[in-house]
Amino acid sequence: AQKITQTQPGMFVQEKEAVTLDCTYDTSDQSYGLFWYKQPSSGEMIFLIYQGSYDEQNATEGRYSLNFQKARKSANLVISASQLGDSAMYFCAMREGGSEKLVFGKGTKLTVNP
Amino acid sequence: KAGVTQTPRYLIKTRGQQVTLSCSPISGHRSVSWYQQTPGQGLQFLFEYFSETQRNKGNFPGRFSGRQFSNSRSEMNVSTLELGDSALYLCASSPRGSGSYGGYTFGSGTRLTVV
Repeated sequence: AQKITQTQPGMFVQEKEAVTLDCTYDTSDQSYGLFWYKQPSSGEMIFLIYQGSYDEQNATEGRYSLNFQKARKSANLVISASQLGDSAMYFCAMREGGSEKLVFGKGTKLTVNP
Repeated sequence: KAGVTQTPRYLIKTRGQQVTLSCSPISGHRSVSWYQQTPGQGLQFLFEYFSETQRNKGNFPGRFSGRQFSNSRSEMNVSTLELGDSALYLCASSPRGSGSYGGYTFGSGTRLTVV
């Protein structure tokens, strides 16, 4: 069963605008972690933000925030004030319980237009 | 501090050959995980090592193997290469192997092409 779903294969946004990348997940664990990674064309996976299942506050890291809706099992990434350098693939991932294994979604390709 | 180092960056091999990829984690990180990324299957977990022991294994054939050394450096080996093994292989290290929060830092990957 697919555990991480990213329904947007591609997204376009104008420079300086905000954009939301969707992510829904499926797990029966009470303890889990949700991650967002950025992958530019160079291939490296760059960690952006993390949300623990027990965290009550939505995570924020600079221009990145995670809109965590536990009951709906969604963990959307919000990028504020988009920059041209934000153009990349974005992956949502989940770690369940005591495992070190990350399960990734298929990714969303974000293009920021000038 | 130095990041996760993967070598080589690019590799071209012939079907039937074997290949060894290397990953040096961030100093102090004891957990190393490997992932395969292909356009068709996306990112898939291969295995994870902690303190020289394989703790988790993904759904890959036995041709894929790995090990970890006492200095936490890890290698993965693919024997009898197939065309479908062409992929970006990413390694990630984390400070703890307990599954608790710890940022997973990825390397730049090794892009393997099998011809």
